[in-house]
Amino acid sequence: RKEVEQDPGPFNVPEGATVAFNCTYSNSASQSFFWYRQDCRKEPKLLMSVYSSGNEDGRFTAQLNRASQYISLLIRDSKLSDSATYLCVVKGINNDMRFGAGTRLTVKP
Amino acid sequence: DAMVIQNPRYQVTQFGKPVTLSCSQTLNHNVMYWYQQKSSQAPKLLFHYYDKDFNNEADTPDNFQSRRPNTSFCFLDIRSPGLGDAAMYLCATSREMYTQYFGPGTRLTVL
Repeated sequence: RKEVEQDPGPFNVPEGATVAFNCTYSNSASQSFFWYRQDCRKEPKLLMSVYSSGNEDGRFTAQLNRASQYISLLIRDSKLSDSATYLCVVKGINNDMRFGAGTRLTVKP
Repeated sequence: DAMVIQNPRYQVTQFGKPVTLSCSQTLNHNVMYWYQQKSSQAPKLLFHYYDKDFNNEADTPDNFQSRRPNTSFCFLDIRSPGLGDAAMYLCATSREMYTQYFGPGTRLTVL
């Protein structure tokens, strides 16, 4: 079993749609959680950290369920510019960062 | 602007010919990382420096080495590149082990 698993995707949605990505992690001792965004042939960039109480940044909402070892990212009112690959990242007890394989999102006009 | 810089952005080498990729940062972060990312795959951590302490991932081949002469610079040396080493190599930095910031990457082609 992979340490971090994400929805395989790809997700193709129209502008304005709401889309949700899921991620599960295998190590229950994991400490911190992040969503990164990666555009084609570019480097990953931090989208948001994920806190136990859930957090929101504009159109983006991240949720963490430690009991189920599950993280989610919700994007509301999708824009064309949201098209990218979204990487789920989990930091373990040794401070090592483990990346999911990513879920590709394409937002169409 | 403070940033993570990687040079070159594109590197072409021949099978078995040593190659060095460089990373520099103006963030004054004490931790620097090297990742390998192949097409449609997750970035894979090769190793990281916590200050001067080198931390190698267990499954990183011996073909990959790294040097960190000072806080700002870190190098990735591939001693004998094989066709399977063609990938994007990403450098990242962090203050302690907090949020990582990535450079633009070096795309390596092995002929």
